[in-house]
Amino acid sequence: AQTVTQSQPEMSVQEAETVTLSCTYDTSESDYYLFWYKQPPSRQMILVIRQEAYKQQNATENRFSVNFQKAAKSFSLKISDSQLGDAAMYFCAYRRGNFGNEKLTFGTGTRLTIIP
Amino acid sequence: GAGVSQTPSNKVTEKGKYVELRCDPISGHTALYWYRQSLGQGPEFLIYFQGTGAADDSGLPNDRFFAVRPEGSVSTLKIQRTERGDSAVYLCASSADRPDEQFFGPGTRLTVL
Repeated sequence: AQTVTQSQPEMSVQEAETVTLSCTYDTSESDYYLFWYKQPPSRQMILVIRQEAYKQQNATENRFSVNFQKAAKSFSLKISDSQLGDAAMYFCAYRRGNFGNEKLTFGTGTRLTIIP
Repeated sequence: GAGVSQTPSNKVTEKGKYVELRCDPISGHTALYWYRQSLGQGPEFLIYFQGTGAADDSGLPNDRFFAVRPEGSVSTLKIQRTERGDSAVYLCASSADRPDEQFFGPGTRLTVL
């Protein structure tokens, strides 16, 4: 079974600084997707960024980028120029590859606090 | 237009009672998922529908939990003989036909007293 581990229950960062959230996963599959979701107090999960395992290039979305190390099974999220609106729970998630729609397996989350 | 909606937003019930939680997916999305998020945890998969049929129900914890999607759109998660351990946020998500992003609703917070 696939597992996703987030070892940082809480992180904090000064506004405008950069922070990195860690995620490791375990799988025997070669084809899969990895995601970072943001969950604000409103509870609604919002997709931040995703990475296809077959792509060597790290995904980026504006201020958000990932460091995907397939051999190490590591998938960290870097947030640059942190803003107050970035404060939320962040979940790393795994989905098995291209077999049609598949469930997501989530980590336990990291609570990110932005210090003004 | 809308995103995924879930009703009710909050539900308080007594131990042993029956509850129904509703999910309205994004129009046209064929896949629908239910997840359960306990306090301080990440969401855990319960069941996934492709159209009207349950394609994967391996996450349902026991036979007190049941879900339907009779017309391939709205889905209802049904919990019989609720227990205090069922207290959690129940999240619904939907996605389009090809493997793609899952769009989540705001969840229903279930509290069993």
